[in-house]
Amino acid sequence: AQSVTQPDIHITVSEGASLELRCNYSYGATPYLFWYVQSPGQGLQLLLKYFSGDTLVQGIKGFEAEFKRSQSSFNLRKPSVHWSDAAEYFCAVGKTGNQFYFGTGTSLTVIP
Amino acid sequence: ETGVTQTPRHLVMGMTNKKSLKCEQHLGHNAMYWYKQSAKKPLELMFVYSLEERVENNSVPSRFSPECPNSSHLFLHLHTLQPEDSALYLCASSQAVGTLTYEQYFGPGTRLTVT
Repeated sequence: AQSVTQPDIHITVSEGASLELRCNYSYGATPYLFWYVQSPGQGLQLLLKYFSGDTLVQGIKGFEAEFKRSQSSFNLRKPSVHWSDAAEYFCAVGKTGNQFYFGTGTSLTVIP
Repeated sequence: ETGVTQTPRHLVMGMTNKKSLKCEQHLGHNAMYWYKQSAKKPLELMFVYSLEERVENNSVPSRFSPECPNSSHLFLHLHTLQPEDSALYLCASSQAVGTLTYEQYFGPGTRLTVT
């Protein structure tokens, strides 16, 4: 079975502080991994993806994520959070055959 | 228009109405998806079309009926819905090459309220 777990339902950080959002997956093969962001009333926007190769991937808006096979994790990080980063963040796993599995999301609040 | 567009953005309908949601992708992709997003729940994949053929139907009630007339357009026909069907309905597209599926691109969604 495949699943995606985002253990943190809600996170609050101060503007300028660093951020790490956790994602764990359960999948029997090499996964395709994604992070998406969703602003209120909007669809999901792709932040970054991992298919193979370098396990540290860079994305848009200053985000990065690191794939750790031994921990089945794909955590999202940003060194300095901006107020505009407040949104819902979703981790997703893709497999062959048009199958995608999303986590329940982490809501990020940024305080001044 | 660029990316993935969805119309209408908001829809209120009674339980006896019939309505349709429309999705159009301008990315040249060959796969399209309907998702349901309810509060505090993971995104629920409803339907997948690849090369205009339905390849996935995750036990969705028959009151939801998809249609994919070509690779750029996807519809979701709605009839006799229930209040619990109120949600954000998201359309997405992706490029599938053989058995590999690349990242999905999402539309802004249709906020559906069933009264």
